[in-house]
Amino acid sequence: SAVISQKPSRDICQRGTSLTIQCQVDSQVTMMFWYRQQPGQSLTLIATANQGSEATYESGFVIDKFPISRPNLTFSTLTVSNMSPEDSSIYLCSVETSGTSGTYEQYFGPGTRLTVT
Amino acid sequence: GNSVTQMEGPVTLSEEAFLTINCTYTATGYPSLFWYVQYPGEGLQLLLKATKADDKGSNKGFEATYRKETTSFHLEKGSVQVSDSAVYFCALNGGATNKLIFGTGTLLAVQP
Repeated sequence: SAVISQKPSRDICQRGTSLTIQCQVDSQVTMMFWYRQQPGQSLTLIATANQGSEATYESGFVIDKFPISRPNLTFSTLTVSNMSPEDSSIYLCSVETSGTSGTYEQYFGPGTRLTVT
Repeated sequence: GNSVTQMEGPVTLSEEAFLTINCTYTATGYPSLFWYVQYPGEGLQLLLKATKADDKGSNKGFEATYRKETTSFHLEKGSVQVSDSAVYFCALNGGATNKLIFGTGTLLAVQP
């Protein structure tokens, strides 16, 4: 398993501004992911944060809106740029670790609850 | 493509009742299957997993069996408690990318 922390835990922001969310894990991991969970909905993968290269974005998400950094194997940031009320969501980072029998498991941070007014 | 379908909630039960939350999947190959739980105001916690057909994952009194013939991974618990009230997500990963694909989540409310 892995212990993951996120900062901030919540924020209220004005439209048009940007917020950077930090994700820290207690061990080195290859794969880190960023998800969005809109109110009352399931999780949607935004991107895979790759160490040493650009993030890989899912359909519907672009780097200009959600720039991601991954400077090392224990840390990543997600920026939500030029925010609008539609960006109000919980943003979660996760990491993939090797579980039993060589399988992979994802562990999630506590999330950042963002409200855009 | 791969997908997960969960029963819609909310599911409301009395304490000590039997719980079943249905989950079926569509996938190519042989995915791993997971149940995650999200308690109010918190992130997701891995509850249990199964990696091959007929595997049974279990944790905290919950269990789910990987049924390839019915492409299902239903979550069960024999006697729920108020503290089990949460949203439960079924998920799968498979293929080269190991991306997790989630169901829509099922809200469980257990009343004393």
